Amino acid sequence: KAGVTQTPRYLIKTRGQQVTLSCSPISGHRSVSWYQQTPGQGLQFLFEYFSETQRNKGNFPGRFSGRQFSNSRSEMNVSTLELGDSALYLCASSLPSKTYEQYFGPGTRLTVT
Amino acid sequence: AQSVTQLGSHVSVSEGALVLLRCNYSSSVPPYLFWYVQYPNQGLQLLLKYTTGATLVKGINGFEAEFKKSETSFHLTKPSAHMSDAAEYFCAAISGGSNYKLTFGKGTLLTVNP
Repeated sequence: KAGVTQTPRYLIKTRGQQVTLSCSPISGHRSVSWYQQTPGQGLQFLFEYFSETQRNKGNFPGRFSGRQFSNSRSEMNVSTLELGDSALYLCASSLPSKTYEQYFGPGTRLTVT
Repeated sequence: AQSVTQLGSHVSVSEGALVLLRCNYSSSVPPYLFWYVQYPNQGLQLLLKYTTGATLVKGINGFEAEFKKSETSFHLTKPSAHMSDAAEYFCAAISGGSNYKLTFGKGTLLTVNP
């Protein structure tokens, strides 16, 4: 069974631009969570989607948003990029019956210049 | 709020030596607990998990961890380190109920010396 896939793997953007990252969960997984990983703050929860609905949201500004499609694929969007948004963005998916057991993709490395 | 503390941001061991990575959680209600490993330029791989039942859990690659409620700990061990174990390890917790958010420790970088 294929794992969680994330595209693109690497991205370079300029301050003020916006970016969209994509995540395809493991087949049969309907919950998708997003995390931001930085050297300073570590791994921080962004938000979680299940059946196209956002169920949980972390403590991030409104510039960070996401959505989930009917096939469980998810996207996250960051608008008006800041230098501090440079990070590894990780997506994780889980089964409906085991939402606590999350499987991670390889991440998208975003660099903001 | 849930918090996870990993003692030691960097642990160095010799090949063949015992690996011990420490993790403590803060919660009045025992959460579900996890260890993940991250190799350079990769995502997180689930090593093992504790949900309910047996307090000693075995994971992949010869790792195991013991849940100790009285000590609020979930330390990760491996009897004999291998060069391929060099990576960063993260302890994480998730509360029960409707909270699907993983709370991570800061991570421990494991170095294995030949």
